[in-house]
Order: sequence, then structure tokens, then C-alpha cells
Amino acid sequence: DAGVIQSPRHEVTEMGQEVTLRCKPISGHDYLFWYRQTMMRGLELLIYFNNNVPIDDSGMPEDRFSAKMPNASFSTLKIQPSEPRDSAVYFCASSFRSNYGYTFGSGTRLTVV
Amino acid sequence: DAKTTQPPSMDCAEGRAANLPCNHSTISGNEYVYWYRQIHSQGPQYIIHGLKNNETNEMASLIITEDRKSSTLILPHATLRDTAVYYCIVPNSGYSTLTFGKGTMLLVSP
Repeated sequence: DAGVIQSPRHEVTEMGQEVTLRCKPISGHDYLFWYRQTMMRGLELLIYFNNNVPIDDSGMPEDRFSAKMPNASFSTLKIQPSEPRDSAVYFCASSFRSNYGYTFGSGTRLTVV
Repeated sequence: DAKTTQPPSMDCAEGRAANLPCNHSTISGNEYVYWYRQIHSQGPQYIIHGLKNNETNEMASLIITEDRKSSTLILPHATLRDTAVYYCIVPNSGYSTLTFGKGTMLLVSP
């Protein structure tokens, strides 16, 4: 099993541009989570899906952020337009049913200049 | 999530046991204690979890006090690669997501 796969590993973009982060969860896992990590705020949950359906997006900071999960093997987190304060490491994680043994990906380090 | 309290940092000599404490005095009877760690520049990694009984796996041991108000994660023979931030988390009963606090920064030195 290749684990949770995120792409790209690093992204540098200019303010105002659209950014799309991608995640492939572990096959068979029915929960998917998007977290953001910064020095100031630590690890924050942005949104999570169960069986491809968004369950709780209360952590999404603004309307500029959107997430989709078109099928069980793929999810995207989009920021449009991006701002410098969005610079962070974004992690995707998946889990089987409702247990808490999350498996995290390696993250995407986003820098908005 | 039930509130947990961890020391901000700890040191350990390589080869010695690392004992990381966690207080969770408001824990409910059916709430589990979970431990994760995050090595620099990597995603968090699940270590172990428990309810009442002590637990052991290939990574660590978890000791939960009888009143369940505190627990200790034990790395029996710490290595340099165990240097990481360790998070103790008690999710609410009924499904909720994991909320990560500040954790304990464990530094293992030669």
C-alpha cells in the first residue's frame, strides 16, 4: 500500500492565483480529512468527507477555499484567489470507518508570494 | 474533545526509555486516549490508543491510570529518529474528528 498520496509536494504561487491540491486516500478508507498546519495555529481541520460526501466544512477559513471528492480515490482542495496568509503545509488523511487511526500523507507545502 | 495537558518539551538520552505524560482529567468512561507523533516535515503518524487497559505495540506502550485521568506513552529504547512532537488526543465519544493540540516536543540526544 502506497499510503495517502498528495501532490504536489511543494507549490509556490503568486497572490491572486488559483491553487489546487490533490489527494489520493488509501483504498478502502471511507473517511478523508484535510488539515492545515502553520506555526501560529498548529494543525487545524479544514473539512472531512465520509463516503465522498462532505460532512463538516466548518474549518474552511473562507469562501476562497473549496474541497471536492468526486470519487472514493480522489479529492481536491482549491484556493481561489490565493493570499499570502494561506501559506502553510496542507495535509490530507484517510481512515477506515470511524476509527481514529488516521493515515496522513506527506503534505503539500504552499507558499503564496 | 476532552482537554489534554502535556509538557511542551522533554529530553531523553538515546537508548533510554522516554516516558511522555498526558493529563486528561475530564475524560469520560467510554472515551479512548490516542497518541500520534509528527517528525519534522512529515505528516502525523498514529502510534497507539487505549481505553482502560495498558496497551503495547511495536512502537510503544501506553499506560493508563486506574482513574483514567492521566496516561503515559513509553518509548522503551528511544533512538534519534524518535525526535518528534508527540500528541495525546481524547476524541469525544460518538464520532468526532481528531483535534491536535500543541503536544510535547521530544528531543532524543546521543
